[in-house]
Amino acid sequence: GQQLNQSPQSMFIQEGEDVSMNCTSSSIFNTWLWYKQDPGEGPVLLIALYKAGELTSNGRLTAQFGITRKDSFLNISASIPSDVGIYFCAGQRTDSWGKLQFGAGTQVVVTP
Amino acid sequence: DVKVTQSSRYLVKRTGEKVFLECVQDMDHENMFWYRQDPGLGLRLIYFSYDVKMKEKGDIPEGYSVSREKKERFSLILESASTNQTSMYLCASSPPGVTKNIQYFGAGTRLSVL
Repeated sequence: GQQLNQSPQSMFIQEGEDVSMNCTSSSIFNTWLWYKQDPGEGPVLLIALYKAGELTSNGRLTAQFGITRKDSFLNISASIPSDVGIYFCAGQRTDSWGKLQFGAGTQVVVTP
Repeated sequence: DVKVTQSSRYLVKRTGEKVFLECVQDMDHENMFWYRQDPGLGLRLIYFSYDVKMKEKGDIPEGYSVSREKKERFSLILESASTNQTSMYLCASSPPGVTKNIQYFGAGTRLSVL
């Protein structure tokens, strides 16, 4: 299956900085999900989006469902050391029962 | 909280061995999935199941089979393990329906085939 285009591939940031990442696709999606994976663990859901234009926050995290339904963005404000990990976007296409497509992930490294 | 449990965190097997990876979920979810995760490739779907005894091939089913005899359990089988199957394997489950289909993941099994 086609992977989503997720960028950047990695980010090295200082504590306190903001982080932005995005996912794009040529297909239309009806759901966008953002997951975080800590080293040696499975992905954990951060934010779920279901409507075009929807903007949802979870603490310092904010994600948006793109208006074209082909993209999504995740922002992390005022990063802290525990934000380290891999962030994945996932989307469900309108014609794809229950299955998700995943981005390749954004590796975030936070330095003090 | 949804709990998806994978029986082993780490496995080391030899080429040619038959390998069983077990996954159990406690939320009565209809849908279950097996993925493998490799650096730079993200998550790739191997097989999924939307009901007991039902299974569908994902994107990379070659060399794998699955079994779903009970709703809560979904097993991934490597009939004859090969070194290119060394990977992180993730199991996930999701509730029924085609919308709001959040998948919940287990902690993963890191398999090394020598």
